[in-house]
Amino acid sequence: ILNVEQSPQSLHVQEGDSTNFTCSFPSSNFYALHWYRWETAKSPEALFVMTLNGDEKKKGRISATLNTKEGYSYLYIKGSQPEDSATYLCAFTGGGADGLTFGKGTHLIIQP
Amino acid sequence: DAGVTQSPTHLIKTRGQQVTLRCSPKSGHDTVSWYQQALGQGPQFIFQYYEEEERQRGNFPDRFSGHQFPNYSSELNVNALLLGDSALYLCASSLSDLSNQPQHFGDGTRLSIL
Repeated sequence: ILNVEQSPQSLHVQEGDSTNFTCSFPSSNFYALHWYRWETAKSPEALFVMTLNGDEKKKGRISATLNTKEGYSYLYIKGSQPEDSATYLCAFTGGGADGLTFGKGTHLIIQP
Repeated sequence: DAGVTQSPTHLIKTRGQQVTLRCSPKSGHDTVSWYQQALGQGPQFIFQYYEEEERQRGNFPDRFSGHQFPNYSSELNVNALLLGDSALYLCASSLSDLSNQPQHFGDGTRLSIL
């Protein structure tokens, strides 16, 4: 059974501050790492799909890095805004057509 | 351009009954995956359909079965419902069966078993 761990489980951040959280996954047999944002009462939204070791992706104020050799990815949010409040999920896959194994998510609350 | 649509939104069943959940993929997508999200957990992969065939399956019993139609829409069937089947069921579509493609999710079906 694959183990994908996310930390912290929840996080309160002041508006305007920057923050980051971690996704740990198996370092062997890596194929892709996904990040999703899930706002309350909405469906999960894809942020990034990362496949190469050392890859860094950016979307507005959100960026992510990937280390496949040690099995972790960081998600960074710069200058947090209230609309960033959501659960952030990462998902690992070890094969071309395998399903995704999700972590439990990091629940982020931005306080005005 | 319609995204992924799921029906029904909510469903209440009793133990032992059978249920069918439906999903229409995003326009242009040919692959549909189903996930179960229990309270406090991340989504768990049930199975994936591509070209009307089940391509991959997660760790779920045979009570969970599915189907994909020629128009790429899909159904998830669960037989002999148990209390533990109460969960949010998410459908996701993608451009291909390769897992380096982002998944586009529907809003889910909330299934409650009494």
